[in-house]
Amino acid sequence: KNEVEQSPQNLTAQEGEFITINCSYSVGISALHWLQQHPGGGIVSLFMLSSGKKKHGRLIATINIQEKHSSLHITASHPRDSAVYICAVCPNYQLIWGAGTKLIIKP
Amino acid sequence: ETGVTQSPTHLIKTRGQQVTLRCSSQSGHNTVSWYQQALGQGPQFIFQYYREEENGRGNFPPRFSGLQFPNYSSELNVNALELDDSALYLCASSRTSGGADTQYFGPGTRLTVL
Repeated sequence: KNEVEQSPQNLTAQEGEFITINCSYSVGISALHWLQQHPGGGIVSLFMLSSGKKKHGRLIATINIQEKHSSLHITASHPRDSAVYICAVCPNYQLIWGAGTKLIIKP
Repeated sequence: ETGVTQSPTHLIKTRGQQVTLRCSSQSGHNTVSWYQQALGQGPQFIFQYYREEENGRGNFPPRFSGLQFPNYSSELNVNALELDDSALYLCASSRTSGGADTQYFGPGTRLTVL
């Protein structure tokens, strides 16, 4: 069993829809990261969470430490949000990465 | 733009050769982490350097080695290249060691081993 599980693996939605991507992990962590990877490889850090909730623009990330679960939400989705979204957890000095969720937003 | 640069962008090598990849960290960052991302998979942690010392290592053989310089830029060296080393190599810099700090990623170096 992977230490970090993401769901869904693939998600296709229409522009404007509310998007939720889930991440569950099985190890104790000091922080959880949500990252975005566009075709071609560039990775951008979206959020780093250790508790509660963070919001940046149309993106919201939440974490429940007791349940070892985090969600990434995108409101009013747009085709430019199409990318792979990756959850990564930090139990010590390294990041353990989920397999990613490939999101496609159709106009 | 994260301020983290990597060179070269692309590289083609043959089995058995050696390669050096370079990463310049963002200003003010003293930690660089290296990751290998095979096609269609998530990144795998190779190692982390903090203030010129290796601070942690993933499950990679000793032919993967690194350096960090006084200006906190870093190199990843891979000896005796194998076909499975073909991947995107990403570096990330951060203000502190460990992974509990925002990571700023470079654009990556795509290595192809023939």
